[in-house]
Amino acid sequence: AQKITQTQPGMFVQEKEAVTLDCTYDTSDPSYGLFWYKQPSSGEMIFLIYQGSYDQQNATEGRYSLNFQKARKSANLVISASQLGDSAMYFCAMRGMNTGFQKLVFGTGTRLLVSP
Amino acid sequence: DGGITQSPKYLFRKEGQNVTLSCEQNLNHDAMYWYRQDPGQGLRLIYYSQIVNDFQKGDIAEGYSVSREKKESFPLTVTSAQKNPTAFYLCASSRPPSVYSNQPQHFGDGTRLSIL
Repeated sequence: AQKITQTQPGMFVQEKEAVTLDCTYDTSDPSYGLFWYKQPSSGEMIFLIYQGSYDQQNATEGRYSLNFQKARKSANLVISASQLGDSAMYFCAMRGMNTGFQKLVFGTGTRLLVSP
Repeated sequence: DGGITQSPKYLFRKEGQNVTLSCEQNLNHDAMYWYRQDPGQGLRLIYYSQIVNDFQKGDIAEGYSVSREKKESFPLTVTSAQKNPTAFYLCASSRPPSVYSNQPQHFGDGTRLSIL
């Protein structure tokens, strides 16, 4: 079975600072993918970044980067130069080869609040 | 612009009533999904469909039903057997994940269902 754990219910950061949101995972799949989504208060889920288990380099997308440590089974999201618009819920998710990559398993999320 | 349209945005259900949530996509995606989100929780998979006229149960399918008669449409019916239907429902679609494992799921804006 796959499991995602996000241990930070809430995080605070000042505008223009960097923040790291933690994500650890558990899986027996030899091949899997990790995703981060942002959910603003309006409710839609916005895809941010993807990391494949066999990718050699950490993924980056603009101000988002993923600190992937395979041996520790962690996939932390780093947001650089935080903006007020980054205030939202952030979810880590994964899917694996054993389910044909069909099932996306989500963590419980971290609420990020960016202050001026 | 391509995207996923969910309707209605808000829905109220009376006791013993079945209600249907609509999900339409024009992204030409083969795979479609329904998730349920409870307050303070991550998303849980209800049903998914990889292709027209085929669908599989997710982790919490009891009390729900779906159909996939057209590629673009994947409606979800919340039946009277679902005793605790109050939640936020999100529909998603993607390219076939078994082929495109790095492709994210794209989400609609969601439907909030409440019991009267």
